[in-house]
Order: sequence, then C-alpha cells, then structure tokens
Amino acid sequence: QKEVEQDPGPLSVPEGAIVSLNCTYSNSAFQYFMWYRQYSRKGPELLMYTYSSGNKEDGRFTAQVDKSSKYISLFIRDSQPSDSATYLCAMSLNAGNNRKLIWGLGTSLAVNP
Amino acid sequence: NAGVTQTPKFRVLKTGQSMTLLCAQDMNHEYMYWYRQDPGMGLRLIHYSVGEGTTAKGEVPDGYNVSRLKKQNFLLGLESAAPSQTSVYFCASSQGVNYGYTFGSGTRLTVV
Repeated sequence: QKEVEQDPGPLSVPEGAIVSLNCTYSNSAFQYFMWYRQYSRKGPELLMYTYSSGNKEDGRFTAQVDKSSKYISLFIRDSQPSDSATYLCAMSLNAGNNRKLIWGLGTSLAVNP
Repeated sequence: NAGVTQTPKFRVLKTGQSMTLLCAQDMNHEYMYWYRQDPGMGLRLIHYSVGEGTTAKGEVPDGYNVSRLKKQNFLLGLESAAPSQTSVYFCASSQGVNYGYTFGSGTRLTVV
C-alpha cells in the first residue's frame, strides 16, 4: 500500500462546477499537507499549505485536513477552464523527522467551457 | 526574480553518453531537490541537499550523481545514460522540508 493514495482521474466538469479533489494517507504522523497544481509541460506550483487539521481558504480554493480519517481535500469553487491541470497532494512529518515530501500521483482535472 | 531555472530544457542522449543538468535558484533557499517524473510513477526524489556542500540520496539515486558547490546551484549528472533514464527532471528548492517547494520548469530527457 502506498503511503499516499490519490485517484488519478481524469475528472471532467463543466465550468462553474464545484470540484472536490482528495487524497488518503496511511501514516498518522504526517503533519504538513500541501496541494500543488501542475499545468501540462510545466513544473508543479504550490497552491495551498496546511499544518495539522482544519480548513484553509484562499480565494476559490479551500484545503481541508481530517487527520482522524487520514484524508485531505481540495475544493475549487466556480471552476474555470484555467483550472484544468493535474493536482498533486504532498505531505510530510514533523520538522526534523524527515527530509522528504511524500507525493500523491496526481489527479488530472479538465474544466470544460 | 527568476525563481528556479533549469538548463537545458530538452536533450536527447545516446545510451552511454554523459550529461549534466543545471539548476539555479535566486531565493537563497537552503534546500534543493532533484526529482524525476514518469507516467504512473509520479514524482520520485533522486537526490537532495540541505545546504551548500551537502548532498544526500533520495528514493532513486542509482545512475545519478549530484554536487552543490555553491548555495544557489545544484547539479545533476548522468555518467552513462540508459534508456530507463528517459524522463522529465525537475529541480526544486525550499526554505525547508516543511515549507512549500518552488519548482523549475523541467528538463525533458530522452535516451535512445
């Protein structure tokens, strides 16, 4: 079993839809959770960063962490064609315990006009 | 502010040839990383560095070497390229593992 599981999709939605992207993980010691967006033929870019549990909102994006269920989500409201990309989740342990991010494989999203 | 710059952007190598990929960052970040990204495999860490003069192995270090002689530069070397090293290579930098990473735009390498 992989440490981080992410449905690769592809996920196809109409413009304006609410999108929910998810990752599950097995290591309860993960404390730092990130979402990256990767456009085709580009490097990943940091979208959202959350420490421990709870929600974080930035414009149309909301990141949610449920540590009891070992589940993280990224919600995109009023989705736009420009949101079409691959979304990668990543997580890490407490500072000092590890030097690596653990990555999901990414979910491909297409937002259709 | 350029962020992370990778050179070259594309390269085709013959089996057995060598090459060096250059990564440069202008954010004064301590940590630098080399990843490869392959379909169905995701991002896999090759080597990383926690500061000038230091390097460490990641998940898939075999066939690669790295050097970090200057804080802003992280070099990835392939001594004898193999077709299995055909991939997209990304360099990233960060203030630390629990900070976000800034990625370069990648190097597409084909080994024939």
